[in-house]
Amino acid sequence: AQSVTQLDSQVPVFEEAPVELRCNYSSSVSVYLFWYVQYPNQGLQLLLKYLSGSTLVESINGFEAEFNKSQTSFHLRKPSVHISDTAEYFCAVEGTSYGKLTFGQGTILTVHP
Amino acid sequence: NAGVTQTPKFRILKIGQSMTLQCTQDMNHNYMYWYRQDPGMGLKLIYYSVGAGITDKGEVPNGYNVSRSTTEDFPLRLELAAPSQTSVYFCATRRGARHTDTQYFGPGTRLTVL
Repeated sequence: AQSVTQLDSQVPVFEEAPVELRCNYSSSVSVYLFWYVQYPNQGLQLLLKYLSGSTLVESINGFEAEFNKSQTSFHLRKPSVHISDTAEYFCAVEGTSYGKLTFGQGTILTVHP
Repeated sequence: NAGVTQTPKFRILKIGQSMTLQCTQDMNHNYMYWYRQDPGMGLKLIYYSVGAGITDKGEVPNGYNVSRSTTEDFPLRLELAAPSQTSVYFCATRRGARHTDTQYFGPGTRLTVL
């Protein structure tokens, strides 16, 4: 069975500051990890994913996440955030059957001017 | 190409009423999912389908039913609405089970049961 824990329910930061959203997982099988973003009143969009290979994965809008097997973590980082990054972020792990995802509780990132 | 569409966007039900949440996709994806999202709880899988005529329970199926008569449609039925079913419901689709296949989400239906 898989589980995901997002360690912070809310993260407030100022514009242009760095941010880290923390995610820990547990899985008894091969690990496939995802970060999804949900902007206000919208559905979820895939931000980035780790399937295999390089442990550092990047998104097109400047976010990156590092898969750390020994720490069972997949933290999301951005060196300089914008107001438009305000959203809720979900970490997820994929199970072995039928593409089912197990989600963390979500982290609300609020970027202040 | 609309992707994943859900109707209605919002709905208020009285306890004991029934309703169907509609989900339609035009991507010819085989896999479809229903999740519910509650504040601070993330998303929980209600039901999923791997193709027309094939459905199975997820983590929180009680109080819900689904059917999949076509590739495009995956309706979620609430038979006797209860306040505990107040939530935001998301439908998602995926081409297949390969780990490279991305899961795409609809815009959601916000349901309140009073």
